[in-house]
Amino acid sequence: KAGVTQTPRYLIKTRGQQVTLSCSPISGHRSVSWYQQTPGQGLQFLFEYFSETQRNKGNFPGRFSGRQFSNSRSEMNVSTLELGDSALYLCASTKLDRPSTDTQYFGPGTRLTVL
Amino acid sequence: AQKITQTQPGMFVQEKEAVTLDCTYDTSDQSYGLFWYKQPSSGEMIFLIYQGSYDEQNATEGRYSLNFQKARKSANLVISASQLGDSAMYFCAMGANILTGGGNKLTFGTGTQLKVEL
Repeated sequence: KAGVTQTPRYLIKTRGQQVTLSCSPISGHRSVSWYQQTPGQGLQFLFEYFSETQRNKGNFPGRFSGRQFSNSRSEMNVSTLELGDSALYLCASTKLDRPSTDTQYFGPGTRLTVL
Repeated sequence: AQKITQTQPGMFVQEKEAVTLDCTYDTSDQSYGLFWYKQPSSGEMIFLIYQGSYDEQNATEGRYSLNFQKARKSANLVISASQLGDSAMYFCAMGANILTGGGNKLTFGTGTQLKVEL
């Protein structure tokens, strides 16, 4: 079974630009979550999508947005990039078929560098 | 709010020895899940082990076991027979139990960098 895939793996952008990251969950998984990882702030939750609806949102500015498609694939978008947005962006998927065991399986991440 | 504390920024262990990585947590939820992930230098987060707050027995997965002490709010990871490939960053994380409707949000600790030496 294929794991979570994320594209692209690496991105270099300049301040003010916008970027779209893509995540394809494990087949049959219905929930997709996004996390930002930086050396200073560690791993922080961005948002979670389930059935094409944003169910949870972390403490990030409105420049960070996302969506989920009917096939559970998800995208996240960051507009007006700032230097501080340089980070590893991790996507995770969860099957949600067993209550109380909501293990999240992560993709390899997209490493974004903002110059 | 949930909080995870990992007090060991770095740990060294000899190959074939056992090592314990510490994790304490704080939550007002009655039902929750505790996870350990491994992150090699490549960046991918690899799921290792899960413990539910109502599970009476400590979780085990191969060489990994979770020493869960609910009253002390600790969920330490024990790696037995360490291997060179175990060198990585290890994160403890907490998630809401799906039954509580908290959704899928993991709160992570700051991680422990483990180095396995010959």
